Amino acid sequence: EVQLVESGGDLVQPGGSLRLSCAASGFTFSRYWMGWVRQAPGKGLEWVANINQDGSLKYYVDSVKGRFTISRDNSKNSLYLQMNSLRAEDTAVYYCTTDGGYWGQGTLVTVSS
Amino acid sequence: DVLVTQSPLSLPATLGQPASISCRSSQGLVHSDGDTYLHWFQQRPGQSPRRLIYKVSNRDSGVPDRFSGSGSGTDFTLKISRVEAEDVGIYYCMQGTHWPKTFGQGTKVEIK
Repeated sequence: EVQLVESGGDLVQPGGSLRLSCAASGFTFSRYWMGWVRQAPGKGLEWVANINQDGSLKYYVDSVKGRFTISRDNSKNSLYLQMNSLRAEDTAVYYCTTDGGYWGQGTLVTVSS
Repeated sequence: DVLVTQSPLSLPATLGQPASISCRSSQGLVHSDGDTYLHWFQQRPGQSPRRLIYKVSNRDSGVPDRFSGSGSGTDFTLKISRVEAEDVGIYYCMQGTHWPKTFGQGTKVEIK
């Protein structure tokens, strides 16, 4: 059974940092593009970042460029999102996804003073 | 960025009757590899999104065959042949051809 389990969401002050993790199981992680998608409270979906199978290609939506870094460790079947200089508008549930096919349950990031 | 526009945004549906959602993109979605990366997702209340249809018309594993996708170029449609109570939720189309990947605003399906 495919499982994606996110962790690391928390309440953080504006300007702070957070690192999200996603533990994958039930499929060959290293063969998949992976991504992070977020959903602000009561809002729609926004694709935040993508990474290819070996981590050599990374794409970011403009609103997070220079602040967020996506990475992966295929030896640990894990995906990460390092989030720096957080803003109130980054408040959202962050989902880990295998480029759309499988999704985790999400982890809530709240940026507030 | 590619703008993806869904209509309607609210869809009161009748049990057992068909329903359809339209999705239009501001640019063509044919990738250089020849595929069209237009997908449909369902998000039930309180749940994570679930992909129903990938690359315009391919149903994901376990998706009931009452769901179908069609379209080409910039115009796409999701059809539910006979709405069931479990179909309540928000439906999103998403283009994955151009970066950044972009979603439509979502269509809320409710039972009349």
